[in-house]
Amino acid sequence: EAGVAQSPRYKIIEKRQSVAFWCNPISGHATLYWYQQILGQGPKLLIQFQNNGVVDDSQLPKDRFSAERLKGVDSTLKIQPAKLEDSAVYLCASSFRDRGSPYTEAFFGQGTRLTVV
Amino acid sequence: AQSVTQLDSHVSVSEGTPVLLRCNYSSSYSPSLFWYVQHPNKGLQLLLKYTSAATLVKGINGFEAEFKKSETSFHLTKPSAHMSDAAEYFCVVSGPYTGGFKTIFGAGTRLFVKA
Repeated sequence: EAGVAQSPRYKIIEKRQSVAFWCNPISGHATLYWYQQILGQGPKLLIQFQNNGVVDDSQLPKDRFSAERLKGVDSTLKIQPAKLEDSAVYLCASSFRDRGSPYTEAFFGQGTRLTVV
Repeated sequence: AQSVTQLDSHVSVSEGTPVLLRCNYSSSYSPSLFWYVQHPNKGLQLLLKYTSAATLVKGINGFEAEFKKSETSFHLTKPSAHMSDAAEYFCVVSGPYTGGFKTIFGAGTRLFVKA
């Protein structure tokens, strides 16, 4: 099966500019996640969607970050305006909520490496 | 509340010797636990998962982990390290959360394998 697709793979922008990332999850996966992974750290969950509804966005810096999943399939994550500390890899993941197993693993895309200069 | 602690930021072993990567967790409910591996410039790949079935879980590439509720641990082991095992490893806990469930990553353990 096709994996989680993300684009672009790399992006360099200046601080205060805007940037958007796109994610297409595995077909049929209801849950979609955006993670931020700063160099040397574990991934931090930014936002979690269940279909097109937000389940958890408690760690999303809402003054500059936004995300949407309008049709319950693909998703975009936007940063506006970017700061130097936003330099990180942004990972998208999806999972299939199986009623027989409450927690199923997430499948990750390759990520987008963002550098803010 | 849930949390996960990987006790070692770096582990170095010689090729052919055993690997032990330690993970402790905290959860108010029976969690699901996962180990992921991340090779340089590659995406995260699932090694194995525990979801309240057998406490000894076997994964890919010869890795296994044992869920010990009394010790709140989920350590990852492999009998014999291979050079290709050099990577970053993440312990992950997932459990109930208001409105759904929450998945939390540990800080990671970088495994070095010496020839």
